[in-house]
Amino acid sequence: AQSVTQLGSHVSVSEGALVLLRCNYSSSVPPYLFWYVQYPNQGLQLLLKYTSAATLVKGINGFEAEFKKSETSFHLTKPSAHMSDAAEYFCAVSESQGNLIFGKGTKLSVKP
Amino acid sequence: DAGITQSPRYKITETGRQVTLMCHQTWSHSYMFWYRQDLGHGLRLIYYSAAADITDKGEVPDGYVVSRSKTENFPLTLESATRSQTSVYFCASSDLREGTYEQYFGPGTRLTVT
Repeated sequence: AQSVTQLGSHVSVSEGALVLLRCNYSSSVPPYLFWYVQYPNQGLQLLLKYTSAATLVKGINGFEAEFKKSETSFHLTKPSAHMSDAAEYFCAVSESQGNLIFGKGTKLSVKP
Repeated sequence: DAGITQSPRYKITETGRQVTLMCHQTWSHSYMFWYRQDLGHGLRLIYYSAAADITDKGEVPDGYVVSRSKTENFPLTLESATRSQTSVYFCASSDLREGTYEQYFGPGTRLTVT
């Protein structure tokens, strides 16, 4: 079975600082990978996805992620954090039967 | 409105009662999913459905029942609610014909079992 590990359940950055949220996956075949964002009391919204077209994926709100097969990683970055980025972020990997396996999430706090 | 909706958004019920959470999508997506979200566990798959009349268990199916008689609806029933089923429940849908497995989520139902 596939699995996703998100390092750090809480990450705190200052406004304007680099955001780095880590995600490692286990998969025996090249997967589809996703980052979702969840704002308080809302559902999950797709931030970006990797579907083997390009290893560097750009998403909404200035976020991007790089697929590194050798490291089985798909870390999420943003050069300059904004207060509105405070949310919980979930990394997910696809399974062959169509469902996604989610990591446990990383809550991002942005300090003024 | 187009999209995926869940009802009710909030529900309080008592232990032992039956409760049904509704999910409706307007995209005619073939796949639908039910997840529960609990602190420290992320999202865990309860049941999913590949098409009408086809359902399968996920990671945590015990105590839940699903049905899918129509493509657009995927209700989740707690036959005899327990306190451990207090959670936020999310429904999602996807269309694998798009080839990306991307899932679209509803706004969630916050269920409290007293």
